[in-house]
Amino acid sequence: AQTVTQSQPEMSVQEAETVTLSCTYDTSESNYYLFWYKQPPSRQMILVIRQEAYKQQNATENRFSVNFQKAAKSFSLKISDSQLGDTAMYFCAFMNRDDKIIFGKGTRLHILP
Amino acid sequence: NAGVTQTPKFQVLKTGQSMTLQCAQDMNHEYMSWYRQDPGMGLRLIHYSVGAGITDQGEVPNGYNVSRSTTEDFPLRLLSAAPSQTSVYFCASSYSRVNQPQHFGDGTRLSIL
Repeated sequence: AQTVTQSQPEMSVQEAETVTLSCTYDTSESNYYLFWYKQPPSRQMILVIRQEAYKQQNATENRFSVNFQKAAKSFSLKISDSQLGDTAMYFCAFMNRDDKIIFGKGTRLHILP
Repeated sequence: NAGVTQTPKFQVLKTGQSMTLQCAQDMNHEYMSWYRQDPGMGLRLIHYSVGAGITDQGEVPNGYNVSRSTTEDFPLRLLSAAPSQTSVYFCASSYSRVNQPQHFGDGTRLSIL
């Protein structure tokens, strides 16, 4: 079965620091998609970044970037210059060839002033 | 554009009652899906649809039915509510497989007594 594991249930960092959230997944497929989602206290789910497995280049979106290690099945999210508004739950997700998406259990990130 | 609209936002049901959670999008997206989110868990896929007239089961489909008669609407039906179905439900849509899921509704908090 395909699984997504986020090993850090909760993290806290000071504002302006850089933080890395880890995610590992398990699959036998070679072509798939990976996502990071942000869920602030408002509960709304917001897509942060997307990575296609066949692309070797790591995806970036402004202050957000990923470290995609396909052989290790690792997909970590780096947030640079963290801001108070980055406080949220972050979910890693995997989409297989059947278009089914599996989410990890999330990492609660606190940005401290 | 309203994006993805879910109704109602809150609902309390008694065990055995039936109800339909509504989801509508005005972006002409082909892909729509339903998730449930429980405390300490990520989102789990219930059902999804790749276009009008086509639906498929996700990770946790038991106890739920869906239909997709139009591109815009994707209702989720609970035929006989059970306390285990107490959860927050999210509907999502996207334009294509590559971009899914990109737009989430604000969620419906459902309590089954």
